[in-house]
Amino acid sequence: GQNIDQPTEMTATEGAIVQINCTYQTSGFNGLFWYQQHAGEAPTFLSYNVLDGLEEKGRFSSFLSRSKGYSYLLLKELQMKDSASYLCAVRHTAGNKLTFGGGTRVLVKP
Amino acid sequence: GAVVSQHPSRVICKSGTSVKIECRSLDFQATTMFWYRQFPKKSLMLMATSNEGSKATYEQGVEKDKFLINHASLTLSTLTVTSAHPEDSSFYICSAQGTSGRARGETQYFGPGTRLLVL
Repeated sequence: GQNIDQPTEMTATEGAIVQINCTYQTSGFNGLFWYQQHAGEAPTFLSYNVLDGLEEKGRFSSFLSRSKGYSYLLLKELQMKDSASYLCAVRHTAGNKLTFGGGTRVLVKP
Repeated sequence: GAVVSQHPSRVICKSGTSVKIECRSLDFQATTMFWYRQFPKKSLMLMATSNEGSKATYEQGVEKDKFLINHASLTLSTLTVTSAHPEDSSFYICSAQGTSGRARGETQYFGPGTRLLVL
């Protein structure tokens, strides 16, 4: 089976940094995605990691350790518009399906 | 990035009626489309996987006769909720995956979602 855990909620201040952790247990691992979802909207793609290490894209970075079943999404220089849910999703080799974690709601305060 | 549209964005219907939701990939060919359901403040739950020209593969617990999926072309998939009941009220989101156009092969691109309310 698959099990993906991430914190339910985090609060941070505008301009600060926040790190969202995601741990997973799965068979047939074929990559990990991070998506951003604003309330009532569809998820938008942020990052994809399939190899160990850090992927940096502007203010957002994502890290993966396959041996530890662990990933994190790092958001730097937080802006008010970054208030959203951040979804960790594991891709499986069987059928390219994604299994999503419960999502982490990030609230950015002034 | 690649764009996926979904129509309608919002629908209200009476109990017992059927509702069709369309999902289109606008600037790439979607070899695979996925249908998800999301309850308030919950994560996405995969309902089914649809490959162009073949029958959809449903996840355990999802009734194939209630949620009819058709993937007739490389840019269109439809989900029909048959004989809808209030418990079917939810946010339905499709995603598409392909290797042409602006799509990265490993990434699912999501539509804007359809909010269904069954009275």
